[in-house]
Amino acid sequence: QKEVEQDPGPLSVPEGAIVSLNCTYSNSAFQYFMWYRQYSRKGPELLMYTYSSGNKEDGRFTAQVDKSSKYISLFIRDSQPSDSATYLCAMSGGAQKLVFGQGTRLTINP
Amino acid sequence: EAQVTQNPRYLITVTGKKLTVTCSQNMNHEYMSWYRQDPGLGLRQIYYSMNVEVTDKGDVPEGYKVSRKEKRNFPLILESPSPNQTSLYFCASSLDGRTSLDNEQFFGPGTRLTVL
Repeated sequence: QKEVEQDPGPLSVPEGAIVSLNCTYSNSAFQYFMWYRQYSRKGPELLMYTYSSGNKEDGRFTAQVDKSSKYISLFIRDSQPSDSATYLCAMSGGAQKLVFGQGTRLTINP
Repeated sequence: EAQVTQNPRYLITVTGKKLTVTCSQNMNHEYMSWYRQDPGLGLRQIYYSMNVEVTDKGDVPEGYKVSRKEKRNFPLILESPSPNQTSLYFCASSLDGRTSLDNEQFFGPGTRLTVL
C-alpha cells in the first residue's frame, strides 16, 4: 500500500464548476500538507501549504486537512481554463522529505 | 530572478553511456534534492543534500550518484544508465532541511531522459 493515495483522474469539468481533489494517507506522523500545481512541461509549484488539521483559504482555493480520517482535500471555486494542470498532494513529517501522491490531471473546459 | 535551473532539458542516450544532469540554484539554499516522476507513481526522491558535502539516499537511489561540492550545484550522475531509468527528473531546493510553512521546496523545470 502506498503511503499517499491520490486518484490520478483524468478529471474534466466545465468552466465555473467547483473542483474537489483528494488524497488519503496512512502515516500518522505526517503534519505538513501541501498541494502543488504542475503545468505541462514545467516543474511543480507550491499552491497551498497547511500544518495539522483545519482549513486554509487563498482566493479561489481552499485546502482542508482531516487528520483523524487521514484525508486531505483541495477545492477550487469558479474554476478557470488556466487551472488546467496536474495537481499533486505532498506530505511531510517534519523534515524536507516529501511524500507525493500520484497526481490528478485536471482539465477545465471553456 | 530566484530559480532552480537544470540542464539538459531533454536527453536521449544509450544503455551504459555515463551522463550527468546539472542542477543549480541562485537562492543560497542549503537543502537540495533530486526526484524522478513516473506515470502512476508520482514523484519519488532519489537523493538529497542537507548542505555542502552532506548527501544521503532517498527512496530510489539505485543506479544514481550525486555530489555537493558547492552550495549552488547538485549534479545527478548516472554512471551506467539503463532503460528503467527513463523518466522525468526534477531538482528542488529549499532554505534548509526543516519543514515549516515559510520553507517551501522550489522545483526546476525538469529533465526528460530516455535511455535506449
